[in-house]
Amino acid sequence: RKEVEQDPGPFNVPEGATVAFNCTYSNSASQSFFWYRQDCRKEPKLLMSVYSSGNEDGRFTAQLNRASQYISLLIRDSKLSDSATYLCVVNRNSGYSTLTFGKGTMLLVSP
Amino acid sequence: ETGVTQTPRHLVMGMTNKKSLKCEQHLGHNAMYWYKQSAKKPLELMFVYSLEERVENNSVPSRFSPECPNSSHLFLHLHTLQPEDSALYLCASSQGLDTSKGYTFGSGTRLTVV
Repeated sequence: RKEVEQDPGPFNVPEGATVAFNCTYSNSASQSFFWYRQDCRKEPKLLMSVYSSGNEDGRFTAQLNRASQYISLLIRDSKLSDSATYLCVVNRNSGYSTLTFGKGTMLLVSP
Repeated sequence: ETGVTQTPRHLVMGMTNKKSLKCEQHLGHNAMYWYKQSAKKPLELMFVYSLEERVENNSVPSRFSPECPNSSHLFLHLHTLQPEDSALYLCASSQGLDTSKGYTFGSGTRLTVV
């Protein structure tokens, strides 16, 4: 099983739509969870951390289910500028902690 | 200068060349990382430095040689690369090895080996 798995997409949605991405991770000891956004040919940028109780940042809502080891990202009222690849990220502990990235889910928002 | 700066942005090199990638962070962090991003693959962690000491090398071929002279600078020295080494090389930094706040990435060096 891969450490972090995501549906690569692309997800094609019209402006204003609500879209959700899921991600599963294999390491039950992971403690840090994030969603990063990566635009075409650019570097990944932190979108939001994901907390056990779930958290919201404007149009973005992240949820964590530790029992099932999956993370979700919900985007409401999609904008054209939301078009990007969304990377699911978890930490991996092997004496010290580093971040492991999923391949990403591509989102294309059309007019 | 703010954040994490990488130079050059683009690099084309022959298989017999020697080149170096440079990364500089202005965030006061003391851990730095090299990641490789190839097409249709997730980011692969190559090297981890904490307080200028290498703490992880994920079985990276010896044709990649990192150097961390101080907590603000990180280099990746390249020699006798192969075409399959063509990729986006990303530098990142964090405050210690604490992952709770994520990493900050530089804009990357897009490397093409011909």
